[in-house]
Amino acid sequence: SQQGEEDPQALSIQEGENATMNCSYKTSINNLQWYRQNSGRGLVHLILIRSNEREKHSGRLRVTLDTSKKSSSLLITASRAADTASYFCATDDNFNKFYFGSGTKLNVKP
Amino acid sequence: EAGVAQSPRYKIIEKRQSVAFWCNPISGHATLYWYQQILGQGPKLLIQFQNNGVVDDSQLPKDRFSAERLKGVDSTLKIQPAKLEDSAVYLCASSLVVTTEAFFGQGTRLTVV
Repeated sequence: SQQGEEDPQALSIQEGENATMNCSYKTSINNLQWYRQNSGRGLVHLILIRSNEREKHSGRLRVTLDTSKKSSSLLITASRAADTASYFCATDDNFNKFYFGSGTKLNVKP
Repeated sequence: EAGVAQSPRYKIIEKRQSVAFWCNPISGHATLYWYQQILGQGPKLLIQFQNNGVVDDSQLPKDRFSAERLKGVDSTLKIQPAKLEDSAVYLCASSLVVTTEAFFGQGTRLTVV
């Protein structure tokens, strides 16, 4: 079964707006990662946050992690049409198993 | 640095036929994953290898799917016999160890008719 659940399932915004998507997971983790998948393409790694970290930044991306709530959020600031894609969180648990969530489909309208 | 290589890119087979997919991970990566991604869903882990040992195959339908990792490097995933519901993209990924980022191949799109 999937470890993570993303919310919302789909998100549509205007170019320049911020996009926030959330991920909840079930078991204790070592780290949490976010990936992007453009339609029909492979997954691309965006950012990794370890279980002892609370926030991480990379360019226009900001990720937070709340291990007490077993949740994470990905914020994309000043979105662009090129950010249109599906976004997945992935976790590796204490048994070193690596699972993906169900994804958020982001559409950025020009 | 070469990425994860997968072949074939596309495959169309009839139900009850067999099919095999091949994956060559990034050199030096100990962990290798096979995922099944049905259209509109997230990748579902089928099997995870650490070197040539299996870490997790709890979601692999073992009555029809099999996978091996030769000498801890290349891997093959086989389906025999295929069912209509096996139509999906099969993704291979590798990482140095499980706690680092995973690199994905372009996937094999399987259509079972």
